[in-house]
Amino acid sequence: QKEVEQNSGPLSVPEGAIASLNCTYSDRVSQSFFWYRQYSGKSPELIMSIYSNGDKEDGRFTAQLNKASQYVSLLIRDSQPSDSATYLCAVNLGGTSYGKLTFGQGTILTVHP
Amino acid sequence: DVKVTQSSRYLVKRTGEKVFLECVQDMDHENMFWYRQDPGLGLRLIYFSYDVKMKEKGDIPEGYSVSREKKERFSLILESASTNQTSMYLCASRPPGNYGYTFGSGTRLTVV
Repeated sequence: QKEVEQNSGPLSVPEGAIASLNCTYSDRVSQSFFWYRQYSGKSPELIMSIYSNGDKEDGRFTAQLNKASQYVSLLIRDSQPSDSATYLCAVNLGGTSYGKLTFGQGTILTVHP
Repeated sequence: DVKVTQSSRYLVKRTGEKVFLECVQDMDHENMFWYRQDPGLGLRLIYFSYDVKMKEKGDIPEGYSVSREKKERFSLILESASTNQTSMYLCASRPPGNYGYTFGSGTRLTVV
């Protein structure tokens, strides 16, 4: 089993819909969780961080964390074509020293007009 | 905003060459990281550093070494480049505490 696993894509949604991206992780004591967006040919850009169970909202983005189920998700409301990118889930597994992050494989999202 | 600068955007090197990839950050971060990104394999950690002259191996350190002589600069060295080191190389830094990384713009290295 991979340490950080994302739902396999690609994911295609129509403009204006909600895109739901999911991620599971292997270590129950992990404390820090991040979502990155990566456009084709560019480097990853941090869009959300979450540390406590529940929801965290930032504009059209909502991150959800359930530590008991070892599950973190990202919802994108009112999806726009500019949201088309690869989304990477990253976890500081086991609270490892120095904040080392383990990344999922990424989910490619396409928002079509 | 934190800026992480990688010296080269694209690089082409020959097999057997010694290759230096440079990364500089401007926010006095202790922690710096080198990853490579390959299709189907995702981001894999090569090395990281938590202080000047301190380094730790990541998941795939073979064929690489690093240098951190100054806090702001973290260099990745390919001792003898091979074609299987053709990849996108990403440098990142982060401050202490529970914060995410800031990535540099990446170096796409091709070894021929």
